Amino acid sequence: AQSVTQLGSHVSVSEGALVLLRCNYSSSVPPYLFWYVQYPNQGLQLLLKYTSAATLVKGINGFEAEFKKSETSFHLTKPSAHMSDAAEYFCAVIPAPSNTGKLIFGQGTTLQVKP
Amino acid sequence: DTGVSQNPRHKITKRGQNVTFRCDPISEHNRLYWYRQTLGQGPEFLTYFQNEAQLEKSRLLSDRFSAERPKGSFSTLEIQRTEQGDSAMYLCASSLARDSLGSDTQYFGPGTRLTVL
Repeated sequence: AQSVTQLGSHVSVSEGALVLLRCNYSSSVPPYLFWYVQYPNQGLQLLLKYTSAATLVKGINGFEAEFKKSETSFHLTKPSAHMSDAAEYFCAVIPAPSNTGKLIFGQGTTLQVKP
Repeated sequence: DTGVSQNPRHKITKRGQNVTFRCDPISEHNRLYWYRQTLGQGPEFLTYFQNEAQLEKSRLLSDRFSAERPKGSFSTLEIQRTEQGDSAMYLCASSLARDSLGSDTQYFGPGTRLTVL
C-alpha cells in the first residue's frame, strides 16, 4: 500500500534560516504529490502540488519543493523562515493512476520558528 | 466563492449519543471528501462522493457512520452511538474533477472538532 513518511515530527529553525521539511513516498509509479499547511484550529491549505510537470514546484508564501524520483522524495524548502510560517505541515500523495483522488497523508511536521 | 464551510465547528457529546455534521463545498465542485484527523496525526480518508454518488468508503468507516450527499451539493456525516474513540477533527474537502486522472486539488474546510465524553 502507498505510504508517506515525513522525517522529523518537529523541526525548529531561527527566523531567517533555511526551512527544510522532508517527505518520502513509497511507490514504484510516481504519484501526485502535495504539501499542505495547517494553522491551529484551521483546515488545511494547499502550499503546492506536483503532477508530473516540472520537477521543481513553486508554491505560495515562498515555499518550493523538488520531486526526485530516484530518491522517492518531495522535500519542502523555504530560503528564509518567517515567524508566520510556524504551523503544521503535511505531505500527501494521490497514488497514480487514480480515479478517486483520495489523499494519503504523512503524520505531519510541526515547524517552530524562533525569533 | 466562499470556500468550504463546516458546521458545527465544535461538538461535545456524551457517549452513546448520535451526532451529525454538515459540509457545504465550494459551489459547482463535483467531488466531496470526508477525512478524520486525530491529535498528532495526519488526516485519514473516510469516504468520498462524486456528485450525489458515494463511490468509496474506507474500512475506518464502521457501520455507525453514514454519509450522504442527497442533491450533489452539501453533505452530512452522521455518527450513531458515539464512542470515546470517535473524538477527532472531521474534515471535509471538495474538488472539481476535470478528468479521470484524480489529480484535482482538494480545498479543505475548517473542520468539526468532536469530543465524546
